[in-house]
Amino acid sequence: DQQVKQNSPSLSVQEGRISILNCDYTNSMFDYFLWYKKYPAEGPTFLISISSIKDKNEDGRFTVFLNKSAKHLSLHIVPSQPGDSAVYFCAARLDWTSEKLVFGKGTKLTVNP
Amino acid sequence: KAGVTQTPRYLIKTRGQQVTLSCSPISGHRSVSWYQQTPGQGLQFLFEYFSETQRNKGNFPGRFSGRQFSNSRSEMNVSTLELGDSALYLCASSQTGTNEKLFFGSGTQLSVL
Repeated sequence: DQQVKQNSPSLSVQEGRISILNCDYTNSMFDYFLWYKKYPAEGPTFLISISSIKDKNEDGRFTVFLNKSAKHLSLHIVPSQPGDSAVYFCAARLDWTSEKLVFGKGTKLTVNP
Repeated sequence: KAGVTQTPRYLIKTRGQQVTLSCSPISGHRSVSWYQQTPGQGLQFLFEYFSETQRNKGNFPGRFSGRQFSNSRSEMNVSTLELGDSALYLCASSQTGTNEKLFFGSGTQLSVL
């Protein structure tokens, strides 16, 4: 049972345009959501997060939107840059006292110059 | 400040052997968690330690075990290796143990032949 789903394995966009990465979840008890970025041969790096009590969080070019009724979140990158090309993982937390995160399988973003 | 350090970077073992992977968290971080990444399953939670105590364990067989030392360094052990254990094993640390921001190492790539 995959509780966090990233249905698009890959996404390709032009430099300067918007990248939208989507994530769906099934467990309404998740209270915190995070996005991580991963380059080849490196570990994931934290990008941005959002609490379930909010519907939007912004950090520079990155914005995460949360739609709890639809159990859906999205990551917007504007404008996209070639250096953003990486695998993006959506993750969700069930228990604030635990390090356990439930990850999606990732979306590979390619930003073309 | 040095990041999360995992050793070794690559490992090749044969079925039936056992393996020990090491993780040194960021200085001052007391929480360490381990994840397995495979192409088909994405990142899956293995276990987490906080102040030398295992706080949570993922859905993995008992062949997977771990521990944390008083200096917060952690090791994970896999006994009786199977082909399906081939994966990237990622260690992550955080200061507070509430996973608002996990810092990942580059991982240990284990190949079981």
